[in-house]
Amino acid sequence: DVKVTQSSRYLVKRTGEKVFLECVQDMDHENMFWYRQDPGLGLRLIYFSYDVKMKEKGDIPEGYSVSREKKERFSLILESASTNQTSMYLCASSILAGTGNTIYFGEGSWLTVV
Amino acid sequence: GIQVEQSPPDLILQEGANSTLRCNFSDSVNNLQWFHQNPWGQLINLFYIPSGTKQNGRLSATTVATERYSLLYISSSQTTDSGVYFCAVGPMDSGGYQKVTFGTGTKLQVIP
Repeated sequence: DVKVTQSSRYLVKRTGEKVFLECVQDMDHENMFWYRQDPGLGLRLIYFSYDVKMKEKGDIPEGYSVSREKKERFSLILESASTNQTSMYLCASSILAGTGNTIYFGEGSWLTVV
Repeated sequence: GIQVEQSPPDLILQEGANSTLRCNFSDSVNNLQWFHQNPWGQLINLFYIPSGTKQNGRLSATTVATERYSLLYISSSQTTDSGVYFCAVGPMDSGGYQKVTFGTGTKLQVIP
């Protein structure tokens, strides 16, 4: 089975702190994604990556950056956390292209910024 | 970008009842997936169905790509079906990057 593992399930951080959310997948997938989920807004794409050291902005990249130094690992960075970044963050992965490129999600990381 | 609308936003069912969830999208797609998010937040892929019909146990899905909608059928619902159901689509021009857009979901509660 595909496994996408997010390093922290629950985090509480202070305003202005630098926050790292780590994600690892074990299926050699090319694509990796970071979403945030907020009530009434569904899932919104922050950044995605289709290869090592490659990244593309999603729909809401402001206030975030990402790093992909190894194929299996994709990190989301909040340079200076703010209260409006309190949310659930979901990491996902998939194969690059072709049919049946199912997206697999991690369990999510609940971030509270106080 | 592509717009995705799901209906109904909320649904309460008696255990054993059947239901149909709908996903409308605004442009041609080459990728459509249905997900179930359980009460603990885990998202599980149910179907990859850019066109046609698929069935998996009590769940089935149909996508009519030419009319830009997809339906998810749940038969003989169980309390474990509770959660939020999301539709996600990827447009025809997304190339190999598979940038998908999620709908806002249908929240289903199945009561005993």
